[in-house]
Amino acid sequence: EPEVTQTPSHQVTQMGQEVILRCVPISNHLYFYWYRQILGQKVEFLVSFYNNEISEKSEIFDDQFSVERPDGSNFTLKIRSTKLEDSAMYFCASMKPGQNTEAFFGQGTRLTVV
Amino acid sequence: AQSVTQLGSHVSVSEGALVLLRCNYSSSVPPYLFWYVQYPNQGLQLLLKYTSAATLVKGINGFEAEFKKSETSFHLTKPSAHMSDAAEYFCAVSAYSGAGSYQLTFGKGTKLSVIP
Repeated sequence: EPEVTQTPSHQVTQMGQEVILRCVPISNHLYFYWYRQILGQKVEFLVSFYNNEISEKSEIFDDQFSVERPDGSNFTLKIRSTKLEDSAMYFCASMKPGQNTEAFFGQGTRLTVV
Repeated sequence: AQSVTQLGSHVSVSEGALVLLRCNYSSSVPPYLFWYVQYPNQGLQLLLKYTSAATLVKGINGFEAEFKKSETSFHLTKPSAHMSDAAEYFCAVSAYSGAGSYQLTFGKGTKLSVIP
């Protein structure tokens, strides 16, 4: 069964460093998302990506964040200069076109900023 | 804009008892509704989805949910809880945001504990 894969599963980084979280969405999906979940809190929308551009982003997704689909298969989230409060679980998701299709989520990357 | 409210951040039930997790939504367009489950240290797994074909939706692991438009609700139920149901459950609403994107908005989640 096709699945969304994310790497790494756990990333530890020092405050101020850049991190890149990687995702391989399901191959025939066209909508891509990043969500984050701070420990013990709700799953929060960060950004959606469609047709090679950001279609929507939340207030959380400030200038420190960027997304890219560099080669038609990977979908990356970059945090330019990490802060302690960026520590969270980051989930990638992808979705087929259509109003009633569900998003398929990866297993997540746990980012710890120290 | 859409939003989801899950009543009760933590629900405890005895093994074999009825599970009821509440979800209310608001959406300016016809919604598509989902329940996801998150087991400890894992990602989000789809339990079931409402696609407008039937108001009572059956999902995996014996869960079902009923869409009630008049109450803007999509509560999740299971007749008899099992220890393996202990997890966090998220209700979500998807609506076309008009920017080439279907945005999925999650509720805050309800942690289900099952007491032996």
